[in-house]
Amino acid sequence: GAVVSQHPSWVICKSGTSVKIECRSLDFQATTMFWYRQFPKQSLMLMATSNEGSKATYEQGVEKDKFLINHASLTLSTLTVTSAHPEDSSFYICSASHPRDRGGGYTFGSGTRLTVV
Amino acid sequence: GENVEQHPSTLSVQEGDSAVIKCTYSDSASNYFPWYKQELGKGPQLIIDIRSNVGEKKDQRIAVTLNKTAKHFSLHITETQPEDSAVYFCAASIGGTSYGKLTFGQGTILTVHP
Repeated sequence: GAVVSQHPSWVICKSGTSVKIECRSLDFQATTMFWYRQFPKQSLMLMATSNEGSKATYEQGVEKDKFLINHASLTLSTLTVTSAHPEDSSFYICSASHPRDRGGGYTFGSGTRLTVV
Repeated sequence: GENVEQHPSTLSVQEGDSAVIKCTYSDSASNYFPWYKQELGKGPQLIIDIRSNVGEKKDQRIAVTLNKTAKHFSLHITETQPEDSAVYFCAASIGGTSYGKLTFGQGTILTVHP
């Protein structure tokens, strides 16, 4: 089946630094990838939708200059949290949609636990 | 935009009992309804999905039903086991040649007691 690999699985960084999270589709081309944020005991909240070769579409209330998304190839999307602060600590999850001839739907990465100290 | 409501928020059952989780959606254009199981510290895993051209789908102990007219869909787990304990999310999207953004329900914490 379709596999999405997300790295790192966890990261601790100092306040003010930037952190990059990678999301790779291993056995299919992901035209569209999605980035979610999940706080403890809450649901997944969509942050942005990225399409290969174009600018990401951010959801209302998500700072695009703080959460930089790059989708330079059909198998890789990255999320960079810039100038991270403790309130950015969260669980970040990527997913990729796959076309109908690959079963349709979405595959999720394993998530990245970001802790900003 | 789409809004998905999920109930109950917590569900506790004895091993061997059935569990039912219900969701409603608001956008009649939604046509793809997946259910995910999420274990602590992990990403969501698809357990079953249904498209709007069918009313029911079953996979061993898991089944999903869809009522397009009422805009609600439900997850049914029979013969529950302790390893079924997790957080379950329903979701809805518009899917065709490609799939648009997914809207999640609030989640249900299922606990299966041995």
